[in-house]
Amino acid sequence: DAKTTQPPSMDCAEGRAANLPCNHSTISGNEYVYWYRQIHSQGPQYIIHGLKNNETNEMASLIITEDRKSSTLILPHATLRDTAVYYCIVKADSWGKLQFGAGTQVVVTP
Amino acid sequence: DAGVIQSPRHEVTEMGQEVTLRCKPISGHNSLFWYRQTMMRGLELLIYFNNNVPIDDSGMPEDRFSAKMPNASFSTLKIQPSEPRDSAVYFCASSGTGGGSTEKLFFGSGTQLSVL
Repeated sequence: DAKTTQPPSMDCAEGRAANLPCNHSTISGNEYVYWYRQIHSQGPQYIIHGLKNNETNEMASLIITEDRKSSTLILPHATLRDTAVYYCIVKADSWGKLQFGAGTQVVVTP
Repeated sequence: DAGVIQSPRHEVTEMGQEVTLRCKPISGHNSLFWYRQTMMRGLELLIYFNNNVPIDDSGMPEDRFSAKMPNASFSTLKIQPSEPRDSAVYFCASSGTGGGSTEKLFFGSGTQLSVL
């Protein structure tokens, strides 16, 4: 599975949009982009995933570039409860083996 | 549904003792995963099952670790004998998509293991 690169940390003001970048320049055609987050002391939580097209759900939006070499997770209106480590994972949608990297520590401040 | 249920939430034991961690996946899910998380190594996949069959155990650190899934509603991760370096948070997760795909994992609350 392709590796991903994320900034180690970023801050965001409460109520503002948080844009989390992820680079996956070696992604293959059959690999999906997944985003999970882990709030302190809890298990990781699925956010969203996509292949080519942009995706949106009740939690976030996922923007994937046309060449699929990078993506951005958008939290439209960040709240203090969005403070967490966010993981970007690239994986072929086959036998399940989700490997987590270091992620981005997002801190939402009042 | 109550989600993925892990027990115990906390376990403190002494080096050399046997430790058994338990997991009840979400009803109807056919894939189950065991992860370990430490500050140094982050989240590591230890083993995963599909339809109760171990598919990949390449992440199991050594022979002291074993995992079983006797039925669709129960799995155990056993460490025998335990060592201080096994101290970590152990997460169980399940997913319910068909075949071998993993679209969405649901994680339990984890077991905090401390080996003294």
